[in-house]
Amino acid sequence: ETGVTQTPRHLVMGMTNKKSLKCEQHLGHNAMYWYKQSAKKPLELMFVYSLEERVENNSVPSRFSPECPNSSHLFLHLHTLQPEDSALYLCASSQGLVETEAFFGQGTRLTVV
Amino acid sequence: GQNIDQPTEMTATEGAIVQINCTYQTSGFNGLFWYQQHAGEAPTFLSYNVLDGLEEKGRFSSFLSRSKGYSYLLLKELQMKDSASYLCAVRDGNNRLAFGKGNQVVVIP
Repeated sequence: ETGVTQTPRHLVMGMTNKKSLKCEQHLGHNAMYWYKQSAKKPLELMFVYSLEERVENNSVPSRFSPECPNSSHLFLHLHTLQPEDSALYLCASSQGLVETEAFFGQGTRLTVV
Repeated sequence: GQNIDQPTEMTATEGAIVQINCTYQTSGFNGLFWYQQHAGEAPTFLSYNVLDGLEEKGRFSSFLSRSKGYSYLLLKELQMKDSASYLCAVRDGNNRLAFGKGNQVVVIP
């Protein structure tokens, strides 16, 4: 149990579907992150939220839309995805933006067909 | 831009010692992290270095040389459960965290 919970663990969706990934942290942290992990590639930072405000968007296509309604919850809304978006999507949290340790969820394995 | 380089895979025998290297080139430096990730699981924090030298935590040690842009993770007395991917990550001068591709360690009996 890492204190960061992601649902669903696995998701298969068609290119015309709309789905959402959910992340919840029980650690009282103020910063939350979305990462994408593809095979043979480094973890790619997608979005950073601090105190519910988006502080970083790393040139992510608009078909990925994050939402942070409060400091404990983070969503990633998906629509009209492409097969190359298939990857493991990891959520993480940390006490602040410059903390020494980030805690990761187990990820959502997304397959776009 | 950031560049974090790690070897991709290594195999080692149970009980042995293995060293995983990481070289980096970043704009500024605010710390280097090592994470362990078992297949299908979340990355978990192992160590953090911000000053030169060796940090020891039980069977795991991490070393940093900022002048060389180099770190290594040393795993001693290898156990089967140590089979995992080991991720090196560097926080740059803007506090952005950049990850390497990870090094897959396979421990064999």
